Amino acid sequence: EPEVTQTPSHQVTQMGQEVILRCVPISNHLYFYWYRQILGQKVEFLVSFYNNEISEKSEIFDDQFSVERPDGSNFTLKIRSTKLEDSAMYFCASKASLYNEQFFGPGTRLTVL
Amino acid sequence: AQTVTQSQPEMSVQEAETVTLSCTYDTSESDYYLFWYKQPPSRQMILVIRQEAYKQQNATENRFSVNFQKAAKSFSLKISDSQLGDAAMYFCAYSNYQLIWGAGTKLIIKP
Repeated sequence: EPEVTQTPSHQVTQMGQEVILRCVPISNHLYFYWYRQILGQKVEFLVSFYNNEISEKSEIFDDQFSVERPDGSNFTLKIRSTKLEDSAMYFCASKASLYNEQFFGPGTRLTVL
Repeated sequence: AQTVTQSQPEMSVQEAETVTLSCTYDTSESDYYLFWYKQPPSRQMILVIRQEAYKQQNATENRFSVNFQKAAKSFSLKISDSQLGDAAMYFCAYSNYQLIWGAGTKLIIKP
């Protein structure tokens, strides 16, 4: 069964460093998402991506964040200068059409020291 | 703006018993989807069940079923014959385009 994959499973970085979180969505999906979940808190929407551009983003998704689909398969989230409060679980999701369910990857745990 | 509310931070149930997790939401849309996700300690997000708002029939998936009350904007999850492996955080989510999440309910299964 096709699934969304994410790498790495755990990333530890120093404050101020750049990180890139990688996701490979399901191959025939067209809509892509990033969410984050700070430990003990609810899941928060970051950004949605469709047709090679951002379709919607939340207030959390400021200039420190960017997304890219560089090669038609990977979908990346870049955090330019990490802060302590960026420590969270980051989930990638994809779906085939606008009203289908989203399929989630296993998440990347980001720890900023 | 759409919101999702889970009023039970924690619930516990005896193994093999039935438990119901509550969820209410607020929206002005008529077409949308509702989901229950399970998040075990591994923190992976696993879809448990989905409900299309245009369907009157409540969705069921084996031991999991929902009570969808569209007028009341209520979407509860019933887990029958609870098993130890059901222990997890359960999140209710609303989708019109992006997913809006509830705060979650921690389900504890007592052996």
